Amino acid sequence: DIQMTQSPSTLSASVGDRVTITCRASQSISSWLAWYQQKPGKAPKLLIYKASSLGSGVPSRFSGSGSETEFTLTISSLQPDDFATYHCQQYNSYSSRTFGQGTKVEIK
Amino acid sequence: QVQLVESGGGLVKPGGSLRLSCAASGFTFSDYYMSWIRQAPGKGLEWVSYISSSGTTIKYVDSVNDRFTISRDNSKNSLYLQMNSLRAEDTAVYYCAREWPVGSTHGAMDYWGQGTLVTVSS
Repeated sequence: DIQMTQSPSTLSASVGDRVTITCRASQSISSWLAWYQQKPGKAPKLLIYKASSLGSGVPSRFSGSGSETEFTLTISSLQPDDFATYHCQQYNSYSSRTFGQGTKVEIK
Repeated sequence: QVQLVESGGGLVKPGGSLRLSCAASGFTFSDYYMSWIRQAPGKGLEWVSYISSSGTTIKYVDSVNDRFTISRDNSKNSLYLQMNSLRAEDTAVYYCAREWPVGSTHGAMDYWGQGTLVTVSS
């Protein structure tokens, strides 16, 4: 099975900072990667799909890049509403899906 | 608008069974693959299972294989997860989610329910 490893596990940042989270796959997943934002007690929200495509209604300060085994989620200018946990997830239509362990973005 | 509402969670003893339901509305349910995902307290997300739009293709994470059964009733716009031989490590919030997009490589989850808590404890 494909394993997903996110780094860092926790990130401390300030409003206005540029933030980057990395997700690595144990084998090539082409561009079949999604990113989600989750706030405490809430369901995850889709931010990015197919590695770099922005989800519906997602602000343009969020962007995704990468392919094969290495991917990044970037928040260009961190806003107060962005303090949350971010999860990556690999998918390919007929295989298993796997999530990374999550990255918590907290206030510095 | 798209809505997914889970139900059926609760407290169950180890070795017991529980059936979760997910009621879908606001979209053509029979067009979409659906997934169950769980989150243990204070932990990350774990994908559990998916089912194809027609119900003919199903896949599970290894840890629930032979214990959990996913199913759907497209006439009732409903998704189910039958959980047998439950263990303490199955304790989690269980979410149902719609896989997206249709007609292309899917597996990103664009809508999620609010989750239902399953607690396995004696």
